[in-house]
Amino acid sequence: EVQLVQSGAEVKKPGESLKISCKGSGYSFATYWIGWVRQMPGKGLEWMGIMYRGDSDTRYNPSFQGQVTMSVDKSISTAYLQWSSLKASDTAIYYCVADGYWGQGTLVTVSS
Amino acid sequence: QAVVTQEPSLTVSPGGTVTLTCGSSTGAVTSGHYPYWFQQKPGQAPRTLIYDTNNKHSSTPARFSGSLLGGKAALTLSGAQPDDEADYYCLLSYSGSSVFGGGTKLTVL
Repeated sequence: EVQLVQSGAEVKKPGESLKISCKGSGYSFATYWIGWVRQMPGKGLEWMGIMYRGDSDTRYNPSFQGQVTMSVDKSISTAYLQWSSLKASDTAIYYCVADGYWGQGTLVTVSS
Repeated sequence: QAVVTQEPSLTVSPGGTVTLTCGSSTGAVTSGHYPYWFQQKPGQAPRTLIYDTNNKHSSTPARFSGSLLGGKAALTLSGAQPDDEADYYCLLSYSGSSVFGGGTKLTVL
């Protein structure tokens, strides 16, 4: 069975960097796709982007292009979402999703 | 970027049938948009119900079905149960990017 386990909640200050992870089991990131989804407090789901076959083909939603970086380490079946300079508006739950299976979400709080 | 529209809220009686729809600002929704449907309950991660228009995910109850209806993607729930009360989101693909609808809050009452 496919399982996606995400890293724990983070509390950061504006301007700090962050990298969150999504570890898969029973699933090959090298073969299929993995996407990232944002859910701001009390709001709906937003598609951030997708990586096909590892990171050989990475596509960002225009709203997130240049704001985040998606990557994958196929050797340890782990995908990453990273920010170089967080803003308060990045406060949200971030989900990874692969072939229809979802991670449990990572809450990122950015506050001074 | 395209805008994907869903009914903000719907109500269904226990045991009843309800259809949720998902439209696109670019025109008719087709199988080429690879419609997905997700269910999300408060405080939980979403779960996938339907992919590629009408394919059920591994744990999707039989009472849920997906289709194309009148130029939109549709999710039909037949025999609603109290446990089906949740937010439902559709996702459409557009040449390399994807867009969620705003979600439908389904009440079973």
